[in-house]
Amino acid sequence: AQSVTQLDSQVPVFEEAPVELRCNYSSSVSVYLFWYVQYPNQGLQLLLKYLSGSTLVKGINGFEAEFNKSQTSFHLRKPSVHISDTAEYFCAVSSPGDDKIIFGKGTRLHILP
Amino acid sequence: NAGVTQTPKFQVLKTGQSMTLQCAQDMNHNSMYWYRQDPGMGLRLIYYSASEGTTDKGEVPNGYNVSRLNKREFSLRLESAAPSQTSVYFCASSESGTSRETQYFGPGTRLLVL
Repeated sequence: AQSVTQLDSQVPVFEEAPVELRCNYSSSVSVYLFWYVQYPNQGLQLLLKYLSGSTLVKGINGFEAEFNKSQTSFHLRKPSVHISDTAEYFCAVSSPGDDKIIFGKGTRLHILP
Repeated sequence: NAGVTQTPKFQVLKTGQSMTLQCAQDMNHNSMYWYRQDPGMGLRLIYYSASEGTTDKGEVPNGYNVSRLNKREFSLRLESAAPSQTSVYFCASSESGTSRETQYFGPGTRLLVL
């Protein structure tokens, strides 16, 4: 069975500093990987996704993630965060042939002034 | 386009009461989903509908029923609410039933069961 682990429940970071949010997955087959963001009191929206091809995926708002098959990871990075990045970030996994995706428990990103 | 809409936004119920959460999408999507979000638990799938006329159980279906009324609408019913069903409920839709598709989420319904 597939699973996804977000290693940090909360990450504090100073404004304009870089950030990495960690995500590891467990799957014995090919995977699709996603990062979704949830701003306060809103629904989720897609940041980026990996389906195949280049392992470096660029998303909206300056975020990017790298698929690392050997380490079964899909960490999310941003070189310089802004106060507007305050949100909860969810990593998710699925596989070809599945009709649903599995979400991680989320990482709250706190931006410190 | 409104995207995915959910009603109501907030609801307070007493234990044993029933209610239906409504969801509609105007993107002509085939697949629709109901999730619940609890602190520290992430999103858990309750039920989904891969296409009009079909529904399937997700990870946490107990205590819930769903109806795919037509291609646009997918409702979630709590027949006899329990405090354990206090949560934030999200509806989502995607173009097809394949898991590679982006899911589009509604703004959520915050439910408190006393």
